[in-house]
Order: sequence, then structure tokens, then C-alpha cells
Amino acid sequence: DAGVIQSPRHEVTEMGQEVTLRCKPISGHDYLFWYRQTMMRGLELLIYFNNNVPIDDSGMPEDRFSAKMPNASFSTLKIQPSEPRDSAVYFCASSPGTGSLGYEQYFGPGTRLTVT
Amino acid sequence: SQQGEEDPQALSIQEGENATMNCSYKTSINNLQWYRQNSGRGLVHLILIRSNEREKHSGRLRVTLDTSKKSSSLLITASRAADTASYFCATDEGGNQFYFGTGTSLTVIP
Repeated sequence: DAGVIQSPRHEVTEMGQEVTLRCKPISGHDYLFWYRQTMMRGLELLIYFNNNVPIDDSGMPEDRFSAKMPNASFSTLKIQPSEPRDSAVYFCASSPGTGSLGYEQYFGPGTRLTVT
Repeated sequence: SQQGEEDPQALSIQEGENATMNCSYKTSINNLQWYRQNSGRGLVHLILIRSNEREKHSGRLRVTLDTSKKSSSLLITASRAADTASYFCATDEGGNQFYFGTGTSLTVIP
């Protein structure tokens, strides 16, 4: 398996523009997680899905952020409109089971987003 | 929310020395995991320790867990330059997701 795939790897956009980040999880993994990493706030969980259904989106910072998982092999994180403070590295991770049962998470390479 | 906090925030050692980093957390857990992040890359799982375990080994890694103190430590023995990375602990709160700590940045000087 190629691992978790994210695209694009780098995105530079202007404030106010729509940004869409994409993720392909590892086949057979039932859980998908979106994280944001910044120097100030560390690694923050934004939202996670189980079997394509959003379970907890309490980490999504604002209504400008939305995430979908239309099928088991694809998820998107959209920011509309983007703001400079959204600049961060966004990671997608997938897992075959729950954290409480000790399943590890497999991370993608991340998307470095810069909003000017 | 962040559950764990690693200490120290940064650590610099000579190649061949041992590196120890600590993680403290706040609530009861089922298990704790350690991850490594190389610069510009995603996190990679290193080792898991369950709440009923006190110590676990994997190659040059040794992890301990003290649930009474809500703390864990990661020891890397005979460090190598390739061990230079950030190290994170991750804990569950009985739920489906993990909460990651703030990380320890380790630099191993050749």
C-alpha cells in the first residue's frame, strides 16, 4: 500500500480564496482524521470520520472549515474563505480501529498551506 | 485539546548517548503511544504501551508508564544522527481518537 496520500503538498493562496485539501486513506482503514499543526498550538485534531461518517468535529475552528468523506477512499477539507491565520501544515491520518483499543494512526505527508 | 505534555521541549545530545524524554497526561487512559516526526514529514508510530503495562522495549527504544503519576518516558539508547526528530506522546481518553502532546525536539550531534 502507498500509505496515506495527501494533495497538494504545498498550497499558497491569497486571503479570501477557497482552499481544498485532499486525502486518500489506506485501504481498509475505517477511521480518518484531519489535524492541523502550528508552532503555537502544536498538533490539533480538527475532525474525524468512522466509516465515512463524521463523528467529532468539535475541533473545527470555525464555520469557514468543512470536511467531507463521500466514500471510503477519499476525504476533503475545505476552507472558505481562507485567512492568514489558517496557515499551517494539515495532516490526514487513517487507522484500522479505535485509539482506545490501541490502534496506531498512519499519517500522510501533510499539506503546507500558506495564506497571504 | 492537548492531553499530553512532553518534557523537555528540546534536547541536544552527542551521538552514542542516551536520550530520555517524558510525557505527562491528565486523565485516565487505556494506552499511550509514542510517535516520531522528521522535519517536513508526517508522524510515524514508534511504540504502544497499555495501561496495565509498566515497561516495554522495541529495539533501542524503552518506554515506561506510571499510571499513578500519569506519566511516561521514552528512552532512546545509543542515539544516532538519524534519531534527530520531534517525538510526541499520544493518549486516548477512552475514546476513538488520540490527543497528542506538544513534542520534544531531539537533536543528535554526530
